[in-house]
Amino acid sequence: AQTVTQSQPEMSVQEAETVTLSCTYDTSENNYYLFWYKQPPSRQMILVIRQEAYKQQNATENRFSVNFQKAAKSFSLKISDSQLGDTAMYFCAFMRRSSGTYKYIFGTGTRLKVLA
Amino acid sequence: DAGVIQSPRHEVTEMGQEVTLRCKPISGHNSLFWYRQTMMRGLELLIYFNNNVPIDDSGMPEDRFSAKMPNASFSTLKIQPSEPRDSAVYFCASSLALIGVYTFGSGTRLTVV
Repeated sequence: AQTVTQSQPEMSVQEAETVTLSCTYDTSENNYYLFWYKQPPSRQMILVIRQEAYKQQNATENRFSVNFQKAAKSFSLKISDSQLGDTAMYFCAFMRRSSGTYKYIFGTGTRLKVLA
Repeated sequence: DAGVIQSPRHEVTEMGQEVTLRCKPISGHNSLFWYRQTMMRGLELLIYFNNNVPIDDSGMPEDRFSAKMPNASFSTLKIQPSEPRDSAVYFCASSLALIGVYTFGSGTRLTVV
């Protein structure tokens, strides 16, 4: 069975600084996808970034980037130049294809607070 | 597109009552998912549909929970009878099956007293 582990329940960072959120996963599959979702106080789940396992190059979206280590089954999220609006819960998710569609397995989340 | 629409946004009900949560997926999406979020267990997949057909309901906690998708634009999650431990935020999400990126609704916060 696949599992996703986020070992940091809470983190804080000063505005404009860089922070890294960790995520590890366990799977025996070779083809899969990894995601980071953000959930601000509004409750809306927002896709931050995604990574295909077959791609060696780390995904980047503006201030957000990942460090994908497939052999180590690690998928950390780096937020550069942190902004107050980045305050949210961040969920790491593993996705695989099943029965013609895709299923997510989410980690338990990391609560990030950006300090002014 | 207005995104995935869930209603109600908040629901407070008494133990033993029937609760129905509603979801309208994005037009054209053929996969729909119901998740439950609690502090203790995080996000749990309850059930998902592909082309209106339930594919996997192994996450449904017990027989008190049921879900339907009568057409491509509407789904319900029903709890009957409700219990205090059902209190959670329930999310609906939809996706194009072959792409796999979900769009989530804003969730329904259910409180059973």
